[in-house]
Amino acid sequence: AQRVTQPEKLLSVFKGAPVELKCNYSYSGSPELFWYVQYSRQRLQLLLRHISRESIKGFTADLNKGETSFHLKKPFAQEEDSAMYYCAPLYNFNKFYFGSGTKLNVKP
Amino acid sequence: NAGVTQTPKFQVLKTGQSMTLQCAQDMNHEYMSWYRQDPGMGLRLIHYSVGAGITDQGEVPNGYNVSRSTTEDFPLRLLSAAPSQTSVYFCASSRTGVNYGYTFGSGTRLTVV
Repeated sequence: AQRVTQPEKLLSVFKGAPVELKCNYSYSGSPELFWYVQYSRQRLQLLLRHISRESIKGFTADLNKGETSFHLKKPFAQEEDSAMYYCAPLYNFNKFYFGSGTKLNVKP
Repeated sequence: NAGVTQTPKFQVLKTGQSMTLQCAQDMNHEYMSWYRQDPGMGLRLIHYSVGAGITDQGEVPNGYNVSRSTTEDFPLRLLSAAPSQTSVYFCASSRTGVNYGYTFGSGTRLTVV
């Protein structure tokens, strides 16, 4: 079975500190990797996708196939980054399987 | 464009009742799916559809039915509601292809008493 592990349920950092949200996936293949974010009282939205090699709102994510990890990073956290973050490998075309999520709390 | 529209936003059901959660998208997306979100468990895939007339099961399909008669609509039917189906339900859609992520609806919060 495909599994996605986000080991931290809650991550608290101070404003300006670096942040890393961990994601490990188990998959026999080469899935595409995505991160989604859900801000308070808003719907889930796509944050970034590995295939685009993009940086969104200062976040980047590095795919490590050897460790099957896709950790989300930002060098300087902002209060507006507080949200739930979900790692989501994509396989079987459009079939996303989501991790259990990490709640990021950025303190002033 | 309205994106993905879910109705209702809130619903309370009694055990054994049936109901349909509505989902519509106006982006001509081929792919649509239903997830449930439970505390500590993230989002779990219930059913999905790769196009009109084609549906398939996800991780947790029991107790739910879907149909896809048009590209735009993908309703989720609860056949006989149970307290274990208390959850937040999200509908999502996307274009077919690995480059595209989901567009999500705003969710339906369902409570079964």
